[in-house]
Amino acid sequence: AQSVTQLDSQVPVFEEAPVELRCNYSSSVSVYLFWYVQYPNQGLQLLLKYLSGSTLVESINGFEAEFNKSQTSFHLRKPSVHISDTAEYFCAVSDSLNQGGKLIFGQGTELSVKP
Amino acid sequence: GAVVSQHPSWVICKSGTSVKIECRSLDFQATTMFWYRQFPKQSLMLMATSNEGSKATYEQGVEKDKFLINHASLTLSTLTVTSAHPEDSSFYICSAIGLAGGETQYFGPGTRLLVL
Repeated sequence: AQSVTQLDSQVPVFEEAPVELRCNYSSSVSVYLFWYVQYPNQGLQLLLKYLSGSTLVESINGFEAEFNKSQTSFHLRKPSVHISDTAEYFCAVSDSLNQGGKLIFGQGTELSVKP
Repeated sequence: GAVVSQHPSWVICKSGTSVKIECRSLDFQATTMFWYRQFPKQSLMLMATSNEGSKATYEQGVEKDKFLINHASLTLSTLTVTSAHPEDSSFYICSAIGLAGGETQYFGPGTRLLVL
C-alpha cells in the first residue's frame, strides 16, 4: 500500500527566506507525485507534478520539487517566499494514470510566512 | 480551463435532515469524480470514486447508505448526506478528471457542512 509522510506539520518562516517542505512516500510500484496548495476555506490547487522525465519540476510561482527515487522523497522548495505563499501544502502520490488513479495525501504542512 | 464548482459553499442544517452537495465540471466533461472529506487541520480523506453512469466505489469505512453519490452526467456528480448528524460536520471537496483521462485531478472549492 502507498503512503505519504509530510515530516513537518508547521513551517514558520520570514518573508524572502528560503523554505523546504519535506515529503516522503512509500510504494511498491512506480509512482506519480504531486504538490497541492490549499488557501483558507478553499479547495486544492495543483502546484506541480512529477510523472516522468526530468526529476526536477517547477511551478509558475517559483516553487520547485525534486523526485529522488533512492530516498523516496519529493521535497518542495522555494528560494524566497512571499507573504502570499502562506497556505497549507499537501503532497500526494498516485500509481495509476489511465483510469484516474486515486490520490493518497500526506498530512499537510502549514506554511506561515511572516513579515 | 478545467474549472470545478461546488454548490452550496456553506450549509447549516438540523440533525436528521438530508443535505445534497453538487459538484460540476464547468468547461470539461468528467468521467470520474472523487469525493473527499477534510476535518479541521487534517488531510483529505477519499470517500468514494464516482464514474458517470455507474455506481460509486466507496472507500473502506465509508457508509454508502449514508453518503449517497450520483454521477448522472459527464458534468455533474452529487453527494447526499442522509440523516445528517453533528459528527458529519466537515469540509467536503470534490475533484474531477477529464474524458481524456490523465493524471491531474481538478478540485472544487469545497462545501462546509455544519449539522446542529
